[in-house]
Amino acid sequence: GQQVMQIPQYQHVQEGEDFTTYCNSSTTLSNIQWYKQRPGGHPVFLIQLVKSGEVKKQKRLTFQFGEAKKNSSLHITATQTTDVGTYFCAGMRITQGGSEKLVFGKGMKLTVNP
Amino acid sequence: DAGITQSPRHKVTETGTPVTLRCHQTENHRYMYWYRQDPGHGLRLIHYSYGVKDTDKGEVSDGYSVSRSKTEDFLLTLESATSSQTSVYFCAISEGTGEYWRGYTFGSGTRLTVV
Repeated sequence: GQQVMQIPQYQHVQEGEDFTTYCNSSTTLSNIQWYKQRPGGHPVFLIQLVKSGEVKKQKRLTFQFGEAKKNSSLHITATQTTDVGTYFCAGMRITQGGSEKLVFGKGMKLTVNP
Repeated sequence: DAGITQSPRHKVTETGTPVTLRCHQTENHRYMYWYRQDPGHGLRLIHYSYGVKDTDKGEVSDGYSVSRSKTEDFLLTLESATSSQTSVYFCAISEGTGEYWRGYTFGSGTRLTVV
């Protein structure tokens, strides 16, 4: 079945560092979404990317959708301790039957050393 | 968030017993989902509903059933709980459509332990 792979699965950074995490799909996606889950919490929707090559920014977070709509990246600038959590990408694809199916990656767990 | 309430928040049950988890929403959303979250597996869809009495299977539906007799309630039943069903269960609704899409909104989760 369709897979959405996130790399790396774990990321440990020093406060203030920049880093990028990636999401790759085996099939073309109609859109891709990113969610953040704080420790002990529930996933919270961050953003959706729909168009090929789309780039969106939320403060220090930059999200990009690949030209082929099969991959995405999340870049965090000047990481802060408040960024700690697990980041999930989720790819939406249209099935042969015409329904939408959202598939989550396994997540990237971010820890920050203050 | 979007008036979603999951109950119970925590439950410990014995192997072989039936268990029902409840998801309640107050904003008349059509689509509701049940996910389980396990270390190393991320979020996996169990079942979803696209209206009253309209439900369909997700990728890990074996051992689970659902019911939606009212718009506001989506019930997940483990017919005979097994230790492999120990997990955190999240209910979600989807908000908006097209350019007004606001993603999935998740409930606070139910931590289920099967002993």
